[in-house]
Amino acid sequence: NAGVTQTPKFRVLKTGQSMTLLCAQDMNHEYMYWYRQDPGMGLRLIHYSVGEGTTAKGEVPDGYNVSRLKKQNFLLGLESAAPSQTSVYFCASRHKRDRVDEQFFGPGTRLTVL
Amino acid sequence: SQKIEQNSEALNIQEGKTATLTCNYTNYSPAYLQWYRQDPGRGPVFLLLIRENEKEKRKERLKVTFDTTLKQSLFHITASQPADSATYLCAMLGSNTGKLIFGQGTTLQVKP
Repeated sequence: NAGVTQTPKFRVLKTGQSMTLLCAQDMNHEYMYWYRQDPGMGLRLIHYSVGEGTTAKGEVPDGYNVSRLKKQNFLLGLESAAPSQTSVYFCASRHKRDRVDEQFFGPGTRLTVL
Repeated sequence: SQKIEQNSEALNIQEGKTATLTCNYTNYSPAYLQWYRQDPGRGPVFLLLIRENEKEKRKERLKVTFDTTLKQSLFHITASQPADSATYLCAMLGSNTGKLIFGQGTTLQVKP
């Protein structure tokens, strides 16, 4: 099992450009999450999904959109990138009925917006 | 608003000693707290969960306590090793969103 994978690992964008980050999991998890991690601020939830075809806003959703067309994939889109979106992005997933609500994280995508 | 705070200063200890990390929360009483380990350039990895009705939880050399009066969780690593060097994150279940709220993490450095 590959667990949670993220594509790409690194990306540099210019202000105003768009891009999509891909998250894939092979554990048949219902729940998926997108976080951003900035120095001194911890992980902050951007958007999440409780199942195929459903998404919801997290703590910091502005400037991002998501889609979950297939259960195993969760896409994060930046429509018009801004320098404030420079961050490390993590995707996570978990089983709906996991006894300890363990989230499994991907390796992260380091995004720089110039 | 609900806040969860960890000591942002790095903790440096000698190999073999017990490392103790602190997680404090305010304005809320979470149903549980989780602890994760994060190595540089990698995603967090789940370690332990402790529920509000549990005072203490152990897993091998790890021990977590949960004091709902002090609104604090302590994370202990006994007989620490250089391989334990990492950033440790605590997280609590938020009441409004039902989603995890993470602390900023504390970096532990164990010196041989």
